[in-house]
Amino acid sequence: GEDVEQSLFLSVREGDSSVINCTYTDSSSTYLYWYKQEPGAGLQLLTYIFSNMDMKQDQRLTVLLNKKDKHLSLRIADTQTGDSAIYFCAESPHAGNNRKLIWGLGTSLAVNP
Amino acid sequence: EAGVVQSPRYKIIEKKQPVAFWCNPISGHNTLYWYRQNLGQGPELLIRYENEEAVDDSQLPKDRFSAERLKGVDSTLKIQPAELGDSAVYLCASSLDLTGTGGEKAQYFGPGTRLLVL
Repeated sequence: GEDVEQSLFLSVREGDSSVINCTYTDSSSTYLYWYKQEPGAGLQLLTYIFSNMDMKQDQRLTVLLNKKDKHLSLRIADTQTGDSAIYFCAESPHAGNNRKLIWGLGTSLAVNP
Repeated sequence: EAGVVQSPRYKIIEKKQPVAFWCNPISGHNTLYWYRQNLGQGPELLIRYENEEAVDDSQLPKDRFSAERLKGVDSTLKIQPAELGDSAVYLCASSLDLTGTGGEKAQYFGPGTRLLVL
């Protein structure tokens, strides 16, 4: 069945790069998303990548997609304390008009000063 | 442009009481979603609307939960009666879904309503 897996925790020092990893099972996925959730807040769309791309860069964020291994990663350069949050990976399976996103459990990123 | 608006932000009720949540999606977004998020979990889809039609309510506990989106814009999610296990964050999201199977399906979320059932 459809499944998205993420490691639960990541701790980095301020100024270092953070890499959050995600694996998914549905090879037909068309789009893959990264969302950020700060304490007490809703989910903020950070970026997304179309399945025919292998990399997307947006300022400090770099998304890498390995379709063969069904592996997605989010790299945050020069990580700041404000980046401390939970990061969710989600995939959009290509199933007709199905708009359902399949979500991971989230990776909690702690940035230490 | 205003984002997704939800109210109330917080609600504390006693079990067996009714509760309602309201959502105003991003202007022009035709698809609206209600999610429930428990602590330490990802969001769980409850219901999805395309315009005013509920196209996926398979995960909605219909014995106590109901939702409506009468004019294809605002939506209300109701729980009656609430149970202790309903304590969670209820998130509303919206997206602009073009016809056909292509197109990115990014969903934009509101801040959520935190429900505590005592």
